[in-house]
Amino acid sequence: GAGVSQTPSNKVTEKGKYVELRCDPISGHTALYWYRQSLGQGPEFLIYFQGTGAADDSGLPNDRFFAVRPEGSVSTLKIQRTERGDSAVYLCASSLFLNNEQFFGPGTRLTVL
Amino acid sequence: DQQVKQNSPSLSVQEGRISILNCDYTNSMFDYFLWYKKYPAEGPTFLISISSIKDKNEDGRFTVFLNKSAKHLSLHIVPSQPGDSAVYFCAARSGSSNTGKLIFGQGTTLQVKP
Repeated sequence: GAGVSQTPSNKVTEKGKYVELRCDPISGHTALYWYRQSLGQGPEFLIYFQGTGAADDSGLPNDRFFAVRPEGSVSTLKIQRTERGDSAVYLCASSLFLNNEQFFGPGTRLTVL
Repeated sequence: DQQVKQNSPSLSVQEGRISILNCDYTNSMFDYFLWYKKYPAEGPTFLISISSIKDKNEDGRFTVFLNKSAKHLSLHIVPSQPGDSAVYFCAARSGSSNTGKLIFGQGTTLQVKP
């Protein structure tokens, strides 16, 4: 079956612009996670959705970052007023239920010039 | 505050030999540990896991050992194959967390030479 997909695979933007990153989880998976991986580091937790609600957004670095999952499936990570420090690979993962194995997408590489 | 640490950025081994990747953690609330493997331009893929009630878990060529008193775990790959060349991430989850979020180490790049 289809795995987790993320679009776009690459995004280049200018400082100050707004970007949206999309995640399509595995069908039927109720839990969805966003992580951010900076160069030379491991993935860092950003936010967790159970169904439509953000159950834990403690990893979002500041209020420029926001994520939604309006119908409990596709999720969008939104970044306002991008900064060069936001450049990273943004990974999405989904799992059937909480604490099941997390399946990762290929990530979106964001570059802020 | 790096709660999960992989102190070796890279490791090179000969095909057929054993690869040992190490991971240390500081948070005693972690009760479940995982290893992920990552190829370039792909997302991490789950490899093997271990619960804190065990000290060893084996799956084919892969074995994970957990030493709770030392807050240390290791991944053994025997025999190593060139296709094992990838970045390996150690991750941990807290039993007190109701979100299932994973805390990752920095990763170790394994190169298996033919």
